[in-house]
Amino acid sequence: KNQVEQSPQSLIILEGKNCTLQCNYTVSPFSNLRWYKQDTGRGPVSLTIMTFSENTKSNGRYTATLDADTKQSSLHITASQLSDSASYICVVRALGNAGNMLTFGGGTRLMVKP
Amino acid sequence: DAGVIQSPRHEVTEMGQEVTLRCKPISGHDYLFWYRQTMMRGLELLIYFNNNVPIDDSGMPEDRFSAKMPNASFSTLKIQPSEPRDSAVYFCASSLLAGGAREQFFGPGTRLTVL
Repeated sequence: KNQVEQSPQSLIILEGKNCTLQCNYTVSPFSNLRWYKQDTGRGPVSLTIMTFSENTKSNGRYTATLDADTKQSSLHITASQLSDSASYICVVRALGNAGNMLTFGGGTRLMVKP
Repeated sequence: DAGVIQSPRHEVTEMGQEVTLRCKPISGHDYLFWYRQTMMRGLELLIYFNNNVPIDDSGMPEDRFSAKMPNASFSTLKIQPSEPRDSAVYFCASSLLAGGAREQFFGPGTRLTVL
């Protein structure tokens, strides 16, 4: 069964600190992995997408990594800001063109305190 | 572009009442998805459409749930009769094609509370 597990479930850090969120998956065959940011009361918004051949990708202060061998991804946030407080959801797509090929992680709820 | 539009943003109703959630996808997108999000289960796909045709409704929890897409710019998700366990945030998302790197764009969601 395809699964996506995220850790930690929740995290509190001080403004300016770095943090790393983890995503482990068992989706097969693998197509790509996307990290979403979901602000409270809003829909998820894509931060970055990782394909099989990509190891690292940055989007501003967000850096995602992918290890396709161990089926792990991480999202590193540098110099956190209060606006980073949100839920971060890891979503893995299996190969195929059907619309039901996504497996969602449970998310990590991040709170950045001043 | 205004993005995916959902209405209402909040809905409070009593058990047994009919609830209708509405969605306007991004213009030109040919796939539309309905999701439900709860703390316990996270995001779950309920049903998706391609070119206004329902393709997979296996995620619809019960016959009390139904969804329609009468045209490319409008879809509804109906719950009749509603129950307290239906309380959740319901998201509509749309995309251009469904596979590969195509991103799904989510609406702001409808927070449903069934008393």
